[in-house]
Amino acid sequence: AQSVTQLDSQVPVFEEAPVELRCNYSSSVSVYLFWYVQYPNQGLQLLLKYLSGSTLVKGINGFEAEFNKSQTSFHLRKPSVHISDTAEYFCAVSNQAGTALIFGKGTTLSVSS
Amino acid sequence: GAVVSQHPSRVICKSGTSVKIECRSLDFQATTMFWYRQFPKQSLMLMATSNEGSKATYEQGVEKDKFLINHASLTLSTLTVTSAHPEDSSFYICSASSTSGGYNEQFFGPGTRLTVL
Repeated sequence: AQSVTQLDSQVPVFEEAPVELRCNYSSSVSVYLFWYVQYPNQGLQLLLKYLSGSTLVKGINGFEAEFNKSQTSFHLRKPSVHISDTAEYFCAVSNQAGTALIFGKGTTLSVSS
Repeated sequence: GAVVSQHPSRVICKSGTSVKIECRSLDFQATTMFWYRQFPKQSLMLMATSNEGSKATYEQGVEKDKFLINHASLTLSTLTVTSAHPEDSSFYICSASSTSGGYNEQFFGPGTRLTVL
């Protein structure tokens, strides 16, 4: 069975500081990995995804993530955050069959000035 | 990009009534749609998987008689919460699956906030 662990429930940072949101997964088969952002009372917006190929994936809003198979990790990074990045971030995994996504519990990113 | 809509975005109802939530894929055909439930400050939990023209597959612990799912066409799936109670108050999010580059990518709707009084 697949599972996703987001290691930090809350990450407070100052504006323009770098940030890393950690995600580890477990799966017995090949996986596809995703990061989504959710603003209050809104649905999910896809930040980036790893399907295959280069392990460094670049997404929207300056975010990137690196797939590390040996460490079963898919950490999300941004070199310089903005106040507007304050939101809930979810890491998710699915397998090749295109089944439903398994989500982590989410990480609240709070950016202050 | 692919767009998924949900209607209504917010609904308030009295305990004991039924509520229907629609999920539509606006610019693509979705053979599979998923329904998720999200409690405040928690993650999304899969409720059921719905395939066009067949019965939905419910996750363990989800009452199929309470959460009726119909996927009558390739662009529409509905979730009906029957005899709603306050504990059913939650944020319901659907997603629609579209084959893109050999992978069934999911596109999420904006969610429906259900409040049962």
